[in-house]
Amino acid sequence: NAGVTQTPKFQVLKTGQSMTLQCAQDMNHEYMSWYRQDPGMGLRLIHYSVGAGITDQGEVPNGYNVSRSTTEDFPLRLLSAAPSQTSVYFCASRRGKTYEQYFGPGTRLTVT
Amino acid sequence: RKEVEQDPGPFNVPEGATVAFNCTYSNSASQSFFWYRQDCRKEPKLLMSVYSSGNEDGRFTAQLNRASQYISLLIRDSKLSDSATYLCVVNSAGYSTLTFGKGTMLLVSP
Repeated sequence: NAGVTQTPKFQVLKTGQSMTLQCAQDMNHEYMSWYRQDPGMGLRLIHYSVGAGITDQGEVPNGYNVSRSTTEDFPLRLLSAAPSQTSVYFCASRRGKTYEQYFGPGTRLTVT
Repeated sequence: RKEVEQDPGPFNVPEGATVAFNCTYSNSASQSFFWYRQDCRKEPKLLMSVYSSGNEDGRFTAQLNRASQYISLLIRDSKLSDSATYLCVVNSAGYSTLTFGKGTMLLVSP
């Protein structure tokens, strides 16, 4: 059982480049979320989804897009990378609103 | 008032000690509560859910006080491997997202 998987593990981008962080889960969870974690800031929610075809913004959505065409996949797209987007990105999923959440191993992104 | 507040620590304790963390939350309608553990440069992992009646899992005990709006985590007989950051997580009624505290760092020394 793979749980939540994320690719790539590490990525270096130049300012202005775009890329997609991939996230997949095999637990048939309805809810999926993207977070970024920066030193001293804790986990901050970027975007989330409560089911296929439904997405919504979190606390820090600017500069990011998401889509949820299937239950399993929830990619995060950086439109035009900026140094302020240097961070560790975690994808997570859970069965429903009151259930515990499972995280992927993270993607460490550096924007130069 | 921040939604979920934790003392950032670090809490420095010797092996074998008992240590307790508290976490306060602001939304009285919160429905579910969790403690997560995060090791350095790793993803958060669920440590335990927190139930209204309190619950125990080995050396770990979690309690919920709805009247005062806080949850606690007690770790008995601390091990070196318990060194990590402990995150308090709350789900609020009417919201589809979880709210994370910034975490409390625990350092257990020999």
